[in-house]
Amino acid sequence: GQQVMQIPQYQHVQEGEDFTTYCNSSTTLSNIQWYKQRPGGHPVFLIQLVKSGEVKKQKRLTFQFGEAKKNSSLHITATQTTDVGTYFCAGVSGYALNFGKGTSLLVTP
Amino acid sequence: GAGVSQSPSNKVTEKGKDVELRCDPISGHTALYWYRQRLGQGLEFLIYFQGNSAPDKSGLPSDRFSAERTGESVSTLTIQRTQQEDSAVYLCASSPITGPPGEQYFGPGTRLTVT
Repeated sequence: GQQVMQIPQYQHVQEGEDFTTYCNSSTTLSNIQWYKQRPGGHPVFLIQLVKSGEVKKQKRLTFQFGEAKKNSSLHITATQTTDVGTYFCAGVSGYALNFGKGTSLLVTP
Repeated sequence: GAGVSQSPSNKVTEKGKDVELRCDPISGHTALYWYRQRLGQGLEFLIYFQGNSAPDKSGLPSDRFSAERTGESVSTLTIQRTQQEDSAVYLCASSPITGPPGEQYFGPGTRLTVT
């Protein structure tokens, strides 16, 4: 079945540094979603990418979907302490979302 | 408006007991999902409801797990004869989009501890 892998598992940055997390699927994805989960909180939807090669921006966050629709990335420019949390990608498989294990981001001031 | 709510927020139970977890989705959301999140892990899909039918139950880990939904309203996830490996946060999500999943709105989860 479809497997979604995310790297790195953890990332510790100084405030102001950039951050990137990568998501790779064993199969072609119809679309991919990204969620953020703050410590002790629940996942919150960030974005959905559908088209091959798609790039979307939300303020300091840039999301990319690979040309082959098997990988995706989330890049945060100039991190802030409010960016702390775990970022999950999720690939659609039938009716289900297959979540990666997430990348936990720690930002120190 | 109100988001997805879940109850109880925490549940501690003894091994072998049955537990029932409740989810109240956002009003009007036809799609409802249950996930399990073990400590430090990603979310494992359990079951998908479209209205009160469940077209996809493929994620239920064993026959000790069952779920039902009343119309487009409340859903309950029941775990019978709980085991220690059932300890996790159980998350419910709802969506106005049926079929292949769109944006999902998550509840705060129920933290289940089996002693």
